Amino acid sequence: TQLLEQSPQFLSIQEGENLTVYCNSSSVFSSLQWYRQEPGEGPVLLVTVVTGGEVKKLKRLTFQFGDARKDSSLHITAAQPGDTGLYLCAGGRRSGNTPLVFGKGTRLSVIA
Amino acid sequence: GAVVSQHPSRVICKSGTSVKIECRSLDFQATTMFWYRQFPKQSLMLMATSNEGSKATYEQGVEKDKFLINHASLTLSTLTVTSAHPEDSSFYICSASPGPGGQPQHFGDGTRLSIL
Repeated sequence: TQLLEQSPQFLSIQEGENLTVYCNSSSVFSSLQWYRQEPGEGPVLLVTVVTGGEVKKLKRLTFQFGDARKDSSLHITAAQPGDTGLYLCAGGRRSGNTPLVFGKGTRLSVIA
Repeated sequence: GAVVSQHPSRVICKSGTSVKIECRSLDFQATTMFWYRQFPKQSLMLMATSNEGSKATYEQGVEKDKFLINHASLTLSTLTVTSAHPEDSSFYICSASPGPGGQPQHFGDGTRLSIL
């Protein structure tokens, strides 16, 4: 069974602070997706990384895929209350339409 | 692009009722869709893989006679919770992918099911 360990599980920070969320696995993934979910809604795709060592930036969010494609991180700079939500990492395999392997999520709360 | 629509968004019904949830890919065809269940403050739990024109593949511990899945077309999959009971109350979410490799997945907005 492929597992994705996501940490931290909960994070409460003040507005303006920086934070990093980690996803780690002993398995190799062909891609790694990051989603953000707000209460009562479905997850919204933030980014997909597919190449080992790849770094993608989305405004104040920086995503990195590990060189070995077993881990990933999400770094948020100068967090804002609007960043509050559940962040989910999900690993994908290249072969066929296989389901994603989800981490347990990081519940982020940014306090103004 | 890559919009997935889920309906209804919220259902409240009496115990014993069967409830049907629809998942549609609006601007792409999806031979495979996925159904998840999410408990409060937890991550998504995969229930089953819905395959167009064939039987769904259920995850271990998910009762196929309880959660009926029909994938009648390339843009529609339905999940029917049969004879629902209060313990079936949950947030149900579907996903689909326009890509040939199934990545990335795009999610519907979910259905909040409450059984009284």
